[in-house]
Amino acid sequence: NAGVTQTPKFRILKIGQSMTLQCAQDMNHNYMYWYRQDPGMGLKLIYYSVGAGITDKGEVPNGYNVSRSTTEDFPLRLELAAPSQTSVYFCASRLDLSRRQFFGPGTRLTVL
Amino acid sequence: AQTVTQSQPEMSVQEAETVTLSCTYDTSESDYYLFWYKQPPSRQMILVIRQEAYKQQNATENRFSVNFQKAAKSFSLKISDSQLGDAAMYFCAYRGLSNTGNQFYFGTGTSLTVIP
Repeated sequence: NAGVTQTPKFRILKIGQSMTLQCAQDMNHNYMYWYRQDPGMGLKLIYYSVGAGITDKGEVPNGYNVSRSTTEDFPLRLELAAPSQTSVYFCASRLDLSRRQFFGPGTRLTVL
Repeated sequence: AQTVTQSQPEMSVQEAETVTLSCTYDTSESDYYLFWYKQPPSRQMILVIRQEAYKQQNATENRFSVNFQKAAKSFSLKISDSQLGDAAMYFCAYRGLSNTGNQFYFGTGTSLTVIP
């Protein structure tokens, strides 16, 4: 298994640009998550999904959108990038609430 | 919302010695999970240890153990026989079991340096 994969690893955006951060897992996990980690801080939950077609907001959802059309993929969309969205983004997944979370390697995003 | 506090931004330990990282949390829930995650320079988040609040026995994973004090809402991590590979950021995290059971709350982290 490849586990949780994220692309790209790095990206620089200009203010107002849009982009999609990709996340995929091949473990048939139901639950998937997007977090952001700001410098010197812990992770904050942006959005999560409990299964294909079901998504919900986390702690810091503003400025982001997600979709979950398949079990494997959980892309995160930034529509109008802002400097405040400069962060490292982590995707994670787990089979169910009793199992551990598996994290992807992260995407470092800079908005200038 | 639940809060998780790590009051030690940085810690250092001599190789082969023992170090304890502190974590406190605030919650009104009676049942929940607590976690310690390790984040090395590669940025990968790695689960170190997990504790279920309903279990009185402290969790142990090889050289890693916790001191879980439910009444005091304290959850410290002890690393014994520290190794150079233990150098990383360590995050304490909380997850409830209510309808917010999908929400993890993380502390701000403790940067651990291991001195050879």
